[in-house]
Amino acid sequence: ETGVTQSPTHLIKTRGQQVTLRCSSQSGHNTVSWYQQALGQGPQFIFQYYREEENGRGNFPPRFSGLQFPNYSSELNVNALELDDSALYLCASSLDNSNTGELFFGEGSRLTVL
Amino acid sequence: SQQGEEDPQALSIQEGENATMNCSYKTSINNLQWYRQNSGRGLVHLILIRSNEREKHSGRLRVTLDTSKKSSSLLITASRAADTASYFCATGRDDKIIFGKGTRLHILP
Repeated sequence: ETGVTQSPTHLIKTRGQQVTLRCSSQSGHNTVSWYQQALGQGPQFIFQYYREEENGRGNFPPRFSGLQFPNYSSELNVNALELDDSALYLCASSLDNSNTGELFFGEGSRLTVL
Repeated sequence: SQQGEEDPQALSIQEGENATMNCSYKTSINNLQWYRQNSGRGLVHLILIRSNEREKHSGRLRVTLDTSKKSSSLLITASRAADTASYFCATGRDDKIIFGKGTRLHILP
């Protein structure tokens, strides 16, 4: 098991609502990356946070936003939820933002949008 | 967007046989990693190979990297039922780590 924890593990929302997902990074890690994984697909990069700043972003609209706190934990916020936002959201922490080392993943938050 | 493409998409083999999965990618990379995911769970790191390396071993795993062909392979020897999972390659670039669509491996008893 990694030291990365995510909450909640499962949640159900309706279209148009907003959701906040949380992630605690592994001790000593200052970088958190968020991924969206639709059923049967690979994880899609949403964005990365390094020392409380956004440090790279994938092809996701602005209604996907995030935060990183001084203790390096992170939040992913999604506004105006759409049906296609139903997915497993994965958080991964790493030692730094060089993207040359291993990612440590949490178990994910499964979001269902009705 | 996906950087890597794994091949095959799905693979079923008998326990004890070797399993080989391939990954092709499009742009230059710093490194390539392989991850494993049990159904609906988080991903677990298996092995990392740097762009200046050609082959790497870890237990029953063997990874090769051919940067001229922009491809990598993962070999799992002497497969076990517990190896049933999805396997993803991930390419590291300056600003992100990008995953492929994965190979779903099923080990038959």
